[in-house]
Parts: sequence; structure tokens; C-alpha cells
Amino acid sequence: QKEVEQDPGPLSVPEGAIVSLNCTYSNSAFQYFMWYRQYSRKGPELLMYTYSSGNKEDGRFTAQVDKSSKYISLFIRDSQPSDSATYLCAMKRGNNRLAFGKGNQVVVIP
Amino acid sequence: GAVVSQHPSWVICKSGTSVKIECRSLDFQATTMFWYRQFPKQSLMLMATSNEGSKATYEQGVEKDKFLINHASLTLSTLTVTSAHPEDSSFYICSAREDVRTNQPQHFGDGTRLSIL
Repeated sequence: QKEVEQDPGPLSVPEGAIVSLNCTYSNSAFQYFMWYRQYSRKGPELLMYTYSSGNKEDGRFTAQVDKSSKYISLFIRDSQPSDSATYLCAMKRGNNRLAFGKGNQVVVIP
Repeated sequence: GAVVSQHPSWVICKSGTSVKIECRSLDFQATTMFWYRQFPKQSLMLMATSNEGSKATYEQGVEKDKFLINHASLTLSTLTVTSAHPEDSSFYICSAREDVRTNQPQHFGDGTRLSIL
């Protein structure tokens, strides 16, 4: 079993819809959770960073962490065509390396 | 804040050439930088962890003599792909982490697309 599971299947939504992305993990020692957005031919850009269970909101983005279920989510409200990108979940324990999900390609259709 | 600059963004060169990629943290000091490789439609694969003033730590399967890493200052790490061959063609991405508090996230550069002919 991989440490981090993220369904890479492309996700197409109409503009204005809510985008919902999920990752599950197996290592209960993970403490820090991140979501990165990566546009084509660019490096990943940090969107959300959290270390506690619950919700964290930043503009149209909400990150949700459920440590008891080993499950994290990213919600994008009022999605825009500019949100079309690949979204990577990542997590780590303390000072250790990041464990990445495979990434979710999101397409927002105008 | 937390900007990481990577240069060059795109390199095309002949087989057998050595290529150097630079990674700079522009507005913070980074004791630790990371080098990743990414193939199309795949996630990032960690190649090595670069520590300022000491030898890099390479991941299993990554040839340290092939991928030379130097981290001579708190704001600069370089990756040199020596005697590059077509199979080395890939997207190379660096990241850096502020080390004032070790629980800070990594910030990534914009990557270098390396094409070996």
C-alpha cells in the first residue's frame, strides 16, 4: 500500500462548480498536510498548509483534514478556468521528506 | 515571501554535455534544498536532499556521480547532470524550506525542462 493515495483521474467541471479533491494516507505519523497546484510546465505552488484536524479556509479554497480517518480534502468554490491545473496533495512527519499523491488533473470548462 | 528561483527554465543540448541547474531562495535562507525529477503526468520523485556545507543525501537508485549537487551557500544549490544522455531528459524541480522552524512547507522553483538530443 502506498503511503499516499490520490485518484489521478482527470476531473472536468463547469465554471462556477465546486471542485472536491481527496487523498488518503496510511502513515498515522504524518503531521503536516499540504496542497500544491501545478500548472503545465511549471513547478508546484503551495496552496494550503495545515497541521491539525478540521477545516482551513483561504479565499475560495478550503482544506480539510481528518486524522482519525487518515483523509484530507481540498475544496475549490466558484471554480474558474484559471483553476485548471494539477493538484497534488503532500504530507510529512516532522523534518522528513514529503510524501506526494499522484496528482489530480482538474479542468474547469467555461 | 518564500520565493524560489530556478535557472535555466529550458535547456536543449547534445548527448555527452554536462548541464548545470541553479536553485536560489530569493527572500529566505534555506539550509536544506531538495531536487526532484518529474516525468509527464506523474508526481514528483525525490532525487536528493541538499544540505548547505555538507554532502547531499541521494535517494536509492539515483547515481551521485551522474547528478552532482553542490549547496555552497544558504541561498544557492546547484544540480549538474554530467555527461547527459537522452534518458536524462526530464523536468527537474528544486524546492527549499525555511529552516527557522523545521515544520515549514517546501516552496518550489518553476522547474527546468532538460532535453538531450
